[in-house]
Amino acid sequence: DGGITQSPKYLFRKEGQNVTLSCEQNLNHDAMYWYRQDPGQGLRLIYYSQIVNDFQKGDIAEGYSVSREKKESFPLTVTSAQKNPTAFYLCASRGTGNIGSPLHFGNGTRLTVT
Amino acid sequence: EDQVTQSPEALRLQEGESSSLNCSYTVSGLRGLFWYRQDPGKGPEFLFTLYSAGEEKEKERLKATLTKKESFLHITAPKPEDSATYLCALEGNYGQNFVFGPGTRLSVLP
Repeated sequence: DGGITQSPKYLFRKEGQNVTLSCEQNLNHDAMYWYRQDPGQGLRLIYYSQIVNDFQKGDIAEGYSVSREKKESFPLTVTSAQKNPTAFYLCASRGTGNIGSPLHFGNGTRLTVT
Repeated sequence: EDQVTQSPEALRLQEGESSSLNCSYTVSGLRGLFWYRQDPGKGPEFLFTLYSAGEEKEKERLKATLTKKESFLHITAPKPEDSATYLCALEGNYGQNFVFGPGTRLSVLP
């Protein structure tokens, strides 16, 4: 079955440590996205990539970094510069051939930093 | 700036008690209005895309409708398994990306 795999499901880190969240898709989608979800707020865009080797900052990119070396993979690094990293992180992808095509999401990684 | 609001924030229904969730939006040009269902600890699951005012789409007990300012998700005779958070999002013609509402948390009691 085609889909998006995020790992790990839960991640615990100490303050000051960088951590990398994995996102892999086998939907053959060109575009991939990282969102952050906090209680009571809409999903907020961190970074997105429309094509391999290219990515753009979203609304809340500070303290995060990404890479897009392969079409299937779009890992997110949460750096020690991110002031409030504890959150639920969602990866999504989208085919870019059709106008108005929906985002498809993975099942998220819950990051807790203490 | 494109914006999405959803109401109510939370809704409790008895099994079989039909109701509607509201998504109000402002956008300079609508490319698509999307509804998602999200279960606790999971990613959002795509339900519907609506493209223009007057359009309606149905799936089982759910029906989504669209006007120029709002979208409604009507739930007919809900069951406990319909309990979830329902998210509304839009893509505008001039924005780069999706704008999400905060969601409506639906609980259906047996």
